[in-house]
Amino acid sequence: QVQLQESGPGLVKPSETLSLTCTVSGYSISSGYHWGWIRQPPGKGLEWIGSIYYGRSTYYNPSLKSRVTMSVDTSKNQFSLKLNSVTAADTAVYYCATTGSVPDTAIIGDYWGQGTLVTVSS
Amino acid sequence: DIQMTQSPSTLSASVGDRVTITCRAGQSINRWLAWYQQKPGNAPKLLIYKASSLGNGVPSRFSGDGSGTEFTLTISSLQPDDFATYYCQQYNTYSGTFGQGTKVEIK
Repeated sequence: QVQLQESGPGLVKPSETLSLTCTVSGYSISSGYHWGWIRQPPGKGLEWIGSIYYGRSTYYNPSLKSRVTMSVDTSKNQFSLKLNSVTAADTAVYYCATTGSVPDTAIIGDYWGQGTLVTVSS
Repeated sequence: DIQMTQSPSTLSASVGDRVTITCRAGQSINRWLAWYQQKPGNAPKLLIYKASSLGNGVPSRFSGDGSGTEFTLTISSLQPDDFATYYCQQYNTYSGTFGQGTKVEIK
C-alpha cells in the first residue's frame, strides 16, 4: 500500500517561495508512477498544480507553470514542490498524490497524502 | 483552459435513493474524466477514472458514464457513508481542471 506524507512550513511570507516535500512509503518512486501536487483553498474546490515522473518528465498546470518547480529525490524516496512569488491567493491545503496503477495519465490521484495547510501571510 | 461544470451544486437525498450528478466539459475531453469523493477534513478518494472504470476497492453501487462533453456519476442506492462532496476532473489536458463540486446532503 502506497502511503504519502506532506511536510513543510505552515506559514510563508508574501513574495517568498513555498517549499513542500512528500515522503513516500510502501513503494519506490524510481519504480514508476507519476507523482503530483494538488491544492485546495479553505472551503473551496481543488486545483491540480503539476506532476513529475521520477525525475524526468514534468507536467505543470499552465496557470501556475511560471512559478512552479517539482523535483524528485530517489535516495530519500521523496518528491518536492516549490512555488515562488506567493500571495494570499496561494493559501490552501496542499496535497501530494500519485497516479498509482491508473493507466494513461500523469494527473490523477489514486493515493493521497493527508494534506498540509500553508498560509501566506506577513 | 477547459471549464468543468457540475450540477447540481447541492443535492438532498435519503438513504436508498438513486442519485445522479452531472459534469459538463467546455470542450470534448473524450473519456478522460475522473470522479472523486471528499469528506470534511480528508483527502479526496478516487472513485472512477476514464469515465466509467471503477477505482480500487470502490463499491459497485458507484458507476460513471459519458464521453465528449457530458458525464454522469450515479450512486444506485445511497448509503450513510456516501454523504460527501463529489468532484469531477478532466485529464485531457495538463491543467487537470476540477468541477466546483456537488455536496450530497441528508434529506
